[in-house]
Amino acid sequence: NAGVTQTPKFRVLKTGQSMTLLCAQDMNHEYMYWYRQDPGMGLRLIHYSVGEGTTAKGEVPDGYNVSRLKKQNFLLGLESAAPSQTSVYFCASSYGGTRTETQYFGPGTRLLVL
Amino acid sequence: AQSVAQPEDQVNVAEGNPLTVKCTYSVSGNPYLFWYVQYPNRGLQFLLKYITGDNLVKGSYGFEAEFNKSQTSFHLKKPSALVSDSALYFCAVRDGNYGGATNKLIFGTGTLLAVQP
Repeated sequence: NAGVTQTPKFRVLKTGQSMTLLCAQDMNHEYMYWYRQDPGMGLRLIHYSVGEGTTAKGEVPDGYNVSRLKKQNFLLGLESAAPSQTSVYFCASSYGGTRTETQYFGPGTRLLVL
Repeated sequence: AQSVAQPEDQVNVAEGNPLTVKCTYSVSGNPYLFWYVQYPNRGLQFLLKYITGDNLVKGSYGFEAEFNKSQTSFHLKKPSALVSDSALYFCAVRDGNYGGATNKLIFGTGTLLAVQP
């Protein structure tokens, strides 16, 4: 049981380039999330999904798109990367959407945009 | 709007001494509170959560947290610190009256715990 995995672990992009971050979970969780972590700001929610085929905006969605074509995968896309998107990106998942649910996190993807 | 504050950027403690990492929250309804730990170059690991009931919550790795409704606090504690406890600790809150389906967590800015041998 690998839990939540993320690929790649680290990536360097030039401004304007595009890329996709992949998140996979093997816990049969319905809910999945993408966060970004920046120094002094904690984690902020980018987008989330409440089930296969659904996505919704979080706190800081601008410049990102997501897709959830399969229940176990949640993709985060950057169409035209900007230096402000330099960050560490974490994927998380939870079994359900109740307020008591625990979210389980992946190891993170470190992205540097030059 | 709901929020959570971790007033200390860093906490230093000697190995074997008790440790406390502070967290205060602000929500409009009943709070649901979580602590996560992040080791260097790793993702966040769940430590413990408060939902209801006993104000003292026990979690992983010998950690516990005390919920105090009157002080709106949820401080993380451990009776005897280990060097291996050195990490970044995040407090998070979910508003119990939140009507949406986002299961959204609000995170604090994190507290770096440094345990000296």
